[in-house]
Amino acid sequence: EADIYQTPRYLVIGTGKKITLECSQTMGHDKMYWYQQDPGMELHLIHYSYGVNSTEKGDLSSESTVSRIRTEHFPLTLESARPSHTSQYLCASSEYGRYGYTFGSGTRLTVV
Amino acid sequence: GIQVEQSPPDLILQEGANSTLRCNFSDSVNNLQWFHQNPWGQLINLFYIPSGTKQNGRLSATTVATERYSLLYISSSQTTDSGVYFCAVVKYSGGGADGLTFGKGTHLIIQP
Repeated sequence: EADIYQTPRYLVIGTGKKITLECSQTMGHDKMYWYQQDPGMELHLIHYSYGVNSTEKGDLSSESTVSRIRTEHFPLTLESARPSHTSQYLCASSEYGRYGYTFGSGTRLTVV
Repeated sequence: GIQVEQSPPDLILQEGANSTLRCNFSDSVNNLQWFHQNPWGQLINLFYIPSGTKQNGRLSATTVATERYSLLYISSSQTTDSGVYFCAVVKYSGGGADGLTFGKGTHLIIQP
């Protein structure tokens, strides 16, 4: 039962294009996160938010930016995509971590 | 930061076999979760288990918080169990990111 939604599921885009990956959750969670995962590797935290108008960078440096204008929406933007951005991006949310973290289905991005 | 080590890194089993996956972590934690990542990249939450034992069908998990490890048991394996199993933890520090820290995963292949 997916309560956190990511679109698109797959995206192939040319170098230099601006892209926005969408993430929405219907659980009313205050905390939301973006993770990056290369094929066969572990996930790394790149952005997080504790609530509206709160955004912070995570452990792994990323050229992407995020915004949190509404509680349920946490989009990630790449102003100028490069092949090095090719990866899977997963969005997650939690309610003060008490009941665990819920992940979306991910966006698999390929920059050519 | 906290370190998470999973073993074994790779495991190949015949259908019907049982397996035990291990997760060691370097510090006390407030949250521990086990995830299954299927071949399509989707991350499925298996257990939220910062301590104790839980069971869900053929899967069960035990976390011994005082000794800083967790075990995931899979009984009567099926080919659909194939994929990558991740252990992830978080330690709340009162400031900064409280996103999950992931291990490198156990790559499980169940052969028919």
